[in-house]
Amino acid sequence: EVQLVESGGGLVHPGGSLRLSCAASGFTFNSYWMTWVRQAPGKGLEWVANIKQDGSETYSVDSVKGRFTISRDNAKNSLFLQMNSLRGEDTAVYYCARVGDGYQFRPFDFWGQGTMVTVSS
Amino acid sequence: DIVLTQSPDSLAVSLGERATINCKSSQSVLHSSNNKNYLGWYQQKPGQPPKLLIYWASTRESGVPDRFSGSGSGTDFTLTISSLQAEDVAVYYCHQYYTTPNTFGQGTKLEIK
Repeated sequence: EVQLVESGGGLVHPGGSLRLSCAASGFTFNSYWMTWVRQAPGKGLEWVANIKQDGSETYSVDSVKGRFTISRDNAKNSLFLQMNSLRGEDTAVYYCARVGDGYQFRPFDFWGQGTMVTVSS
Repeated sequence: DIVLTQSPDSLAVSLGERATINCKSSQSVLHSSNNKNYLGWYQQKPGQPPKLLIYWASTRESGVPDRFSGSGSGTDFTLTISSLQAEDVAVYYCHQYYTTPNTFGQGTKLEIK
């Protein structure tokens, strides 16, 4: 059974940093692109970033470029999102998701339960 | 960036009746190399993560009831629930994975009338 479990969320002051983790199990982690998607309270879904199987390619939405870094550790079946210079508009539930089929441009077929990040003074 | 616009924003349908949600893309998501539409649909119930229902615009994900169907091509797409059940109350999102950045529609809230 595919499982994705996020952790690392919490309350942080504006300008602060957090590192989110996603522990993957039930599939061959290093065979899939992985992605982060966020959802602000009461709002819709926003794609944040994705990463290739070997970590050699990463992409992110313009609003987080230069502040957020996606990475992975295939030996530990883990995905990460390092978030720096956090702003109020980064407040959201952050979901880790698997990109289907092993290709970059595919739907997100499995999602974690999410971890809440609150940026507030 | 590709903008996806869903309509309506909210919808109330009687149990057993048909529900139809539309998604219009600001540019085509039909890939000429494989003739596939890079468009998916997700269902999100309160307090839960999104669940993939439909991909390639019309292919039902494994385990999804056949009352859910997707149609359309190019820039105009539709999600149809043929006979609404109580458990279908949720917010539905379309998603284009044709290009980076991936984008989502704003969501359509489906309720029981």
